Amino acid sequence: EDQVTQSPEALRLQEGESSSLNCSYTVSGLRGLFWYRQDPGKGPEFLFTLYSAGEEKEKERLKATLTKKESFLHITAPKPEDSATYLCAVKETSGSRLTFGEGTQLTVNP
Amino acid sequence: GAVVSQHPSRVICKSGTSVKIECRSLDFQATTMFWYRQFPKQSLMLMATSNEGSKATYEQGVEKDKFLINHASLTLSTLTVTSAHPEDSSFYICSARDPSGGAFGTQYFGPGTRLLVL
Repeated sequence: EDQVTQSPEALRLQEGESSSLNCSYTVSGLRGLFWYRQDPGKGPEFLFTLYSAGEEKEKERLKATLTKKESFLHITAPKPEDSATYLCAVKETSGSRLTFGEGTQLTVNP
Repeated sequence: GAVVSQHPSRVICKSGTSVKIECRSLDFQATTMFWYRQFPKQSLMLMATSNEGSKATYEQGVEKDKFLINHASLTLSTLTVTSAHPEDSSFYICSARDPSGGAFGTQYFGPGTRLLVL
């Protein structure tokens, strides 16, 4: 059974304080790892898709990386508007459904 | 990114009534859409996979007679909560899979529908 574990559950940063969120996964065959951002009361917003170990993608202050066991979402010099819950999800070879982690709630204080 | 809309964004109904939620893919034709349910401070729980022109596939524990799904066109899927009860109150979110990635294409999510059953 696919498993996705995100850590930490919650993270508080000061504006400008860089950090990383972790997503570790166990799947029989990875077909894609997805990062989403979710604001309270809204649906998830797509950020990145990573397909193979060693792949990296960047968008503004965010950078996602992937290994064979985990993915990191690096946040560089975060701003208060980066506050949200960040969700990681995986899709395995045999299916089309996404398996989500529980998310990391990020708060960036000014 | 692609746009997926949901309507209504919020609905309050009386116990025993039925509620229909619409999910539209605005930027691409989605042969596959998904319906999720999310409880406060929890992650998304997949309810069913909706395939255009065929019956939906429901996850274990989800009552198909309770949550009716219709995917009548390549841009519209509907979820009807029949005979709603207070325990059905939740945040319902749909997603549409970008067909350019085949079975492993990116899923784009709608803004969600907040259902409150009194």
